[in-house]
Amino acid sequence: SAVISQKPSRDICQRGTSLTIQCQVDSQVTMMFWYRQQPGQSLTLIATANQGSEATYESGFVIDKFPISRPNLTFSTLTVSNMSPEDSSIYLCSVARQTSTYEQYFGPGTRLTVT
Amino acid sequence: AQTVTQSQPEMSVQEAETVTLSCTYDTSESNYYLFWYKQPPSRQMILVIRQEAYKQQNATENRFSVNFQKAAKSFSLKISDSQLGDTAMYFCASPIQGAQKLVFGQGTRLTINP
Repeated sequence: SAVISQKPSRDICQRGTSLTIQCQVDSQVTMMFWYRQQPGQSLTLIATANQGSEATYESGFVIDKFPISRPNLTFSTLTVSNMSPEDSSIYLCSVARQTSTYEQYFGPGTRLTVT
Repeated sequence: AQTVTQSQPEMSVQEAETVTLSCTYDTSESNYYLFWYKQPPSRQMILVIRQEAYKQQNATENRFSVNFQKAAKSFSLKISDSQLGDTAMYFCASPIQGAQKLVFGQGTRLTINP
């Protein structure tokens, strides 16, 4: 497993502003992911954060709206840009090691409310 | 597209009872893994149990066990002697073919009543 922290744990933001969420892991990991979880819903993958290269985005998510950085093997950031109330969600980062089991371990999440 | 389906949006049982959560999936892989995750109100996603498809023996972790029916593509989670702390959302998940990504079911909200 891995110990994962996220900052901030929650925030209330005004529409039109941006928020950067940080994800820190206690050891080097191969894969890092960012998910969105809207209230009462399942998890939707936003992108895979690639170390040293551009993130790989899922259908419906674009870099201009959700820029991602991954400067090293233990840290990543997700920015939610030009926020609207529809961006109110929980944002989760997860990590996986390069194994054949594909299991992921999750951070505690960031609850974002946009007013 | 690969899919994972949980057909029970909500379930509720009394403490100490046994409860089974259902999950079906769709994959053309010959070997794969399946996972159950728990998300309590604190929202921390916790890996509950993992099943390797080529292993015929059902996985067990203390009070949690699975009933894996490979031919039927069914992967249910059984919680024995349920406790108040088991109250949570439970998600079934499967890796996407050829990728390290997971696809999640819609979730089942489980409430354990005293």
